[in-house]
Amino acid sequence: GENVEQHPSTLSVQEGDSAVIKCTYSDSASNYFPWYKQELGKGPQLIIDIRSNVGEKKDQRIAVTLNKTAKHFSLHITETQPEDSAVYFCAASYSSGKLTFGQGTILTVHP
Amino acid sequence: NAGVTQTPKFQVLKTGQSMTLQCAQDMNHNSMYWYRQDPGMGLRLIYYSASEGTTDKGEVPNGYNVSRLNKREFSLRLESAAPSQTSVYFCASRGFGQDGYTFGSGTRLTVV
Repeated sequence: GENVEQHPSTLSVQEGDSAVIKCTYSDSASNYFPWYKQELGKGPQLIIDIRSNVGEKKDQRIAVTLNKTAKHFSLHITETQPEDSAVYFCAASYSSGKLTFGQGTILTVHP
Repeated sequence: NAGVTQTPKFQVLKTGQSMTLQCAQDMNHNSMYWYRQDPGMGLRLIYYSASEGTTDKGEVPNGYNVSRLNKREFSLRLESAAPSQTSVYFCASRGFGQDGYTFGSGTRLTVV
């Protein structure tokens, strides 16, 4: 089955800096790669996703890049704000829709 | 819209007790999922239901059973709770032709 590795496990940045979280996946058949943000006491929320036919996708301050050859994808957050502090999860799936999640990254943005 | 509703939000069980975690969605989604979240291990799939009337095992199904009662509801049952089942449980749903999941707010279960 699919295996997703996520790094780093914790990330601390100053407000205004950029943050990058990286994930690798094992199954070359995976074609859908979402990122979820989980705030304290809440369920994960989808913030951005990318399909395997696209190399990069941006939505305001967040972007995701995908390298199919190397089987890795990354989340980039620019101009970080304290409200970006949360746990971030990457995931991968094939068309079946079953998502396999990474281990999560605790992002802390210091004012 | 309420989205995905999970009950209860918190529960403490003694080893060997049984209980059912409830999940309901009001978005007319076809697929529903149960995940458990443990520190440092991300979210792991327990069981899922691709459509009403079907259920399948995920990555960590041992010790659990599920019922897709109707299109809206997908319950998770622990027949004989063990301390290793202490976790936060999330239910999620996905609409036909959609990719993203909608998650509930979770059930924090402690087995003592």
